[in-house]
Amino acid sequence: GENVEQHPSTLSVQEGDSAVIKCTYSDSASNYFPWYKQELGKRPQLIIDIRSNVGEKKDQRIAVTLNKTAKHFSLHITETQPEDSAVYFCAASKGSNYQLIWGAGTKLIIKP
Amino acid sequence: DGGITQSPKYLFRKEGQNVTLSCEQNLNHDAMYWYRQDPGQGLRLIYYSQIVNDFQKGDIAEGYSVSREKKESFPLTVTSAQKNPTAFYLCASRVFGTNEKLFFGSGTQLSVL
Repeated sequence: GENVEQHPSTLSVQEGDSAVIKCTYSDSASNYFPWYKQELGKRPQLIIDIRSNVGEKKDQRIAVTLNKTAKHFSLHITETQPEDSAVYFCAASKGSNYQLIWGAGTKLIIKP
Repeated sequence: DGGITQSPKYLFRKEGQNVTLSCEQNLNHDAMYWYRQDPGQGLRLIYYSQIVNDFQKGDIAEGYSVSREKKESFPLTVTSAQKNPTAFYLCASRVFGTNEKLFFGSGTQLSVL
């Protein structure tokens, strides 16, 4: 079945620097790739997503890139701020039931 | 997203006891999901329902049961057969048949006494 691997499990960056989180998926039929952010003690919330007919999508300081050939997609956060500290989850879905397969999460720590 | 409500926020289970976690949504979503979240792990799907009176097992359904008698409600029962129930449980909903975003509840932390 589909498997999604996410790296790194923990990422510590200096405030103002960029952060990159990478995910790889196993099923080439996957066609939708969302990223969710979960702050400590709160519910996950969608921050950005990308579909397989697009190679890159940007929303202010956040961008996602997709490489279908290599079967990986990445989250890029520029000019990191303290409020970016959270756990970030990637996911992939395909097929008629649109079930999401989740990565294990990356804890992003922004150092002041 | 105030449209999906979970209760209680904290729940304690005694040995051999069944407990039920509540999930209610007023977003008119057909699809509802239950996930289990353990520290350092991703979200694991317990059960999901795409329509009233129908539901399917997810990856870790053993020891859990659900019902979907109303569109708005999707309660999860953690039975005594679930030997390691301590976890954070998240309910979610979305429009059926699409890749639209999931709306999550605020979660229930279940612990064993």
